[in-house]
Amino acid sequence: DGGITQSPKYLFRKEGQNVTLSCEQNLNHDAMYWYRQDPGQGLRLIYYSQIVNDFQKGDIAEGYSVSREKKESFPLTVTSAQKNPTAFYLCASSATLLGNTIYFGEGSWLTVV
Amino acid sequence: AQSVAQPEDQVNVAEGNPLTVKCTYSVSGNPYLFWYVQYPNRGLQFLLKYITGDNLVKGSYGFEAEFNKSQTSFHLKKPSALVSDSALYFCAVRDGGYSSASKIIFGSGTRLSIRP
Repeated sequence: DGGITQSPKYLFRKEGQNVTLSCEQNLNHDAMYWYRQDPGQGLRLIYYSQIVNDFQKGDIAEGYSVSREKKESFPLTVTSAQKNPTAFYLCASSATLLGNTIYFGEGSWLTVV
Repeated sequence: AQSVAQPEDQVNVAEGNPLTVKCTYSVSGNPYLFWYVQYPNRGLQFLLKYITGDNLVKGSYGFEAEFNKSQTSFHLKKPSALVSDSALYFCAVRDGGYSSASKIIFGSGTRLSIRP
């Protein structure tokens, strides 16, 4: 089935550690996105990419980094510089940056312990 | 600047009754409008969208939404609510231009609770 796969679903991190969340899509979409969702809250854009080897900061990029080496993959690294990383992270993709519908993965929970 | 507002944090409806989840927007050009649903610990699922054409848009699971340009609204509706419709609903908007600065903006979400 076509879709967006995020892994792991649940991740625990000690303070001071970097962690990487995986996002893979087989929809042949050019654009990919990372959003953060805090409990009971809306979505905030972290980073987005419209083509391979190019990405742009969203509204809350500080403490995060991404790469886009392959069209199918857009991993997100949560660095130790992110002060409050505990949240639900959602990866998404669309045919183009200015395309119509954004489709989402199932999300990854990150908890700092 | 684009913006979208969902004025109700929570909507409570009895099963079998009609439901409405409100959304208003602001964009500089023609809007592209979307509704998504999120169940607990899951990603957002696309329900429907308005790009152009008929103001009444039909989507998944019996939902529909009406685009009202004069009121800048895009309310989500369903004629008869089901308990399984209980979830978090997000409205989203993007302007229809071709600027690279144009991005989809999501509302804060409305929690829909359907009582048996």
